[in-house]
Amino acid sequence: AQKITQTQPGMFVQEKEAVTLDCTYDTSDPSYGLFWYKQPSSGEMIFLIYQGSYDQQNATEGRYSLNFQKARKSANLVISASQLGDSAMYFCAMRGVNSGGGADGLTFGKGTHLIIQP
Amino acid sequence: SAVISQKPSRDICQRGTSLTIQCQVDSQVTMMFWYRQQPGQSLTLIATANQGSEATYESGFVIDKFPISRPNLTFSTLTVSNMSPEDSSIYLCSVNRGDGYTFGSGTRLTVV
Repeated sequence: AQKITQTQPGMFVQEKEAVTLDCTYDTSDPSYGLFWYKQPSSGEMIFLIYQGSYDQQNATEGRYSLNFQKARKSANLVISASQLGDSAMYFCAMRGVNSGGGADGLTFGKGTHLIIQP
Repeated sequence: SAVISQKPSRDICQRGTSLTIQCQVDSQVTMMFWYRQQPGQSLTLIATANQGSEATYESGFVIDKFPISRPNLTFSTLTVSNMSPEDSSIYLCSVNRGDGYTFGSGTRLTVV
């Protein structure tokens, strides 16, 4: 079974600072994918970044980067130069591969509530 | 990425009744996923819906409570049956077209 652990229920960060959101995972599948989503108070799920288990380089998307440490089974999200609009819930999620070779649904962590302070 | 139209966006329902949630995707997809997000909680996968076959339910979710239809490759419905206040949640559908998982805007259900 897959498991995602996010140990930071909430974080307060000053605007313009960098912030790291922690995520560790557990799986026995050799092939998996890791995702980060942002959920503002409106409730929509906004895709931020993806890391495949076989990717050699850490993923980056604008101000978002993923610190992928496979041996430690961690996939921390780094947001550089935080902005007030970054205040939201952040979820780490994992996708496995089913017996038919297709993508499974996502397993989510409990999330981190990030608040950016001016 | 795929565009998903989910409706209703919200509803208030009486206990004991049922609500059907619809998701329409702008292109054909093999699998559609249904999630529940209870108040203040994370998302939990309810079931995976394949076109032409029975949905596959996750542990803790049963077909009698959450029947799913998948009549074609662009549409699916989730019904929440015989509702109780504990069913008050946000329900979201999602698809994966190989370029990541896209979510519908969610259905905020309140059972009174």
